[in-house]
Amino acid sequence: EPEVTQTPSHQVTQMGQEVILRCVPISNHLYFYWYRQILGQKVEFLVSFYNNEISEKSEIFDDQFSVERPDGSNFTLKIRSTKLEDSAMYFCASSERMSYNEQFFGPGTRLTVL
Amino acid sequence: QQQVKQSPQSLIVQKGGISIINCAYENTAFDYFPWYQQFPGKGPALLIAIRPDVSEKKEGRFTISFNKSAKQFSLHIMDSQPGDSATYFCAAKAAGNKLTFGGGTRVLVKP
Repeated sequence: EPEVTQTPSHQVTQMGQEVILRCVPISNHLYFYWYRQILGQKVEFLVSFYNNEISEKSEIFDDQFSVERPDGSNFTLKIRSTKLEDSAMYFCASSERMSYNEQFFGPGTRLTVL
Repeated sequence: QQQVKQSPQSLIVQKGGISIINCAYENTAFDYFPWYQQFPGKGPALLIAIRPDVSEKKEGRFTISFNKSAKQFSLHIMDSQPGDSATYFCAAKAAGNKLTFGGGTRVLVKP
């Protein structure tokens, strides 16, 4: 069964460093997302991406965040200068179409900022 | 306005019992209400979803009840099994693809 994969599973970084989280969405999916979940809290939407453009972003997704689809398979989330409060589980998701189509989530990358 | 409130935060049920999780929302623009199941170390996985034009949807042991006027929806897990022990999230979506999640309910099914 096709699945969304994410690397690394755990990333530890120093405050102020740049990190790139990588995702491989399901191959025929056209819509891509990043969500995050701070430990013990709810899953929060960060950004959606379609046709090489951001289609929607949340207030959390400020100028220190960026997304890119550098090739036909990968989808990345970059955090330019990490802060302690960026420590969270980051989930990538993808869907085939818009609207009522199921979003398939990856297993997540746990980001720890020291 | 954008929040989805979920209760209870945790739930313990005996094997064979019924688990009930409730969610409430304010934004009347929400038009799709999925429930996600999450096991430790895994991402959320879609369990069942409903649109507001129906009041109930059943898939196996899982049922969503939807009350549009009250702006509430709930998940019922019938004949709960130890394998159902997980965290359950309700969510809602308006136009676009952004999912707004509830706070989650940790369900423990005791054998």
